[in-house]
Amino acid sequence: DTGVSQDPRHKITKRGQNVTFRCDPISEHNRLYWYRQTLGQGPEFLTYFQNEAQLEKSRLLSDRFSAERPKGSFSTLEIQRTEQGDSAMYLCASSPSVITDTQYFGPGTRLTVL
Amino acid sequence: AQSVTQLDSQVPVFEEAPVELRCNYSSSVSVYLFWYVQYPNQGLQLLLKYLSGSTLVKGINGFEAEFNKSQTSFHLRKPSVHISDTAEYFCAVSAGTGTASKLTFGTGTRLQVTL
Repeated sequence: DTGVSQDPRHKITKRGQNVTFRCDPISEHNRLYWYRQTLGQGPEFLTYFQNEAQLEKSRLLSDRFSAERPKGSFSTLEIQRTEQGDSAMYLCASSPSVITDTQYFGPGTRLTVL
Repeated sequence: AQSVTQLDSQVPVFEEAPVELRCNYSSSVSVYLFWYVQYPNQGLQLLLKYLSGSTLVKGINGFEAEFNKSQTSFHLRKPSVHISDTAEYFCAVSAGTGTASKLTFGTGTRLQVTL
């Protein structure tokens, strides 16, 4: 396994711009998760997919956020009209479909909104 | 809903000394418990997990944790730390029922190992 990969690793944008992040899970992992981690805090759950179906979204995921996982492979997380409060590390994780399976995390995308 | 409390934001310790990082959780349902480590500018790596069975769980890098249901705790221990153990440690829980397995994390404990 090559592990979970995320792109880009860093993104600096101006307030009001749209940004999109990509996550490539470990191959054959059915579940894919997005978390957000702000400075000094633990990761907070945003959303997760079982194959291509988005099964749960956190209340943290405002209308400006959208996530997709076409064909059940890679996933994208888009933030529209970014705000300074969106500055954070966005982490992606994947796991096989059994509830007890370990979630494997990617290195994250650090977003800075100026 | 579940919640996790990590009582210590920072733990300084000398190399080769023992360490304990504390974690307490709250949940109305049975839970699975995890400890993850995060090195600077990296993602999270699983140290160990408790699903069921023996309450003493051994993980990677010489770490172990003990599940205590009556005290709702899952403290992480290592008998002798190394400089390379310096990192942020996160305790997490997931619901032990249903199909969702999202993790709820604590705020983390920074372990600082010095000579």
